[in-house]
Amino acid sequence: EAGVAQSPRYKIIEKRQSVAFWCNPISGHATLYWYQQILGQGPKLLIQFQNNGVVDDSQLPKDRFSAERLKGVDSTLKIQPAKLEDSAVYLCASSLRSGLSYEQYFGPGTRLTVT
Amino acid sequence: SQQGEEDPQALSIQEGENATMNCSYKTSINNLQWYRQNSGRGLVHLILIRSNEREKHSGRLRVTLDTSKKSSSLLITASRAADTASYFCATTIQGAQKLVFGQGTRLTINP
Repeated sequence: EAGVAQSPRYKIIEKRQSVAFWCNPISGHATLYWYQQILGQGPKLLIQFQNNGVVDDSQLPKDRFSAERLKGVDSTLKIQPAKLEDSAVYLCASSLRSGLSYEQYFGPGTRLTVT
Repeated sequence: SQQGEEDPQALSIQEGENATMNCSYKTSINNLQWYRQNSGRGLVHLILIRSNEREKHSGRLRVTLDTSKKSSSLLITASRAADTASYFCATTIQGAQKLVFGQGTRLTINP
């Protein structure tokens, strides 16, 4: 079974520029998550989709971050404009369904450096 | 703010020894999960324990949960070099569906 795919793996941009990350979840997984992981910390949930609807985006900085999952499959996370504190690894995960007992499968992440 | 706090923040042991990591959390949970993260395989789910369970085993892993103390422990027996990684506990808070991760324990297994 193919895992969660993410691209690009690495991205370096200057502050105030924009950047987009792409994620393709495991086939058949209805729930997709985007996490931000700052160096030395655990992942922090940014947004959770169930099919193409948003379940939780309470920790997404909506003034600069946006995400979509238009057809309920792959997803894009965008940052515009980027700040220095956005330097982090952005992880995408998927699970069969949203719910209390479903294991999340993580992609390799995109390491973003903002200079 | 983080829900789970792992202890210790870093642990270094000899290959073959057992490693114990602890996680404390603040609010009532539905379940608690442990994940491992290393550069080779990324973040990988290890084990899930429900709030009504006290102990669970998976291979060389043993997880305990004490809801009265709001704490969990992960024991890795007979450690191997490949166990070198960061280990995170993650909780699903009652009334919410999202997973909240702790800061992690960095485990180093010395040959």
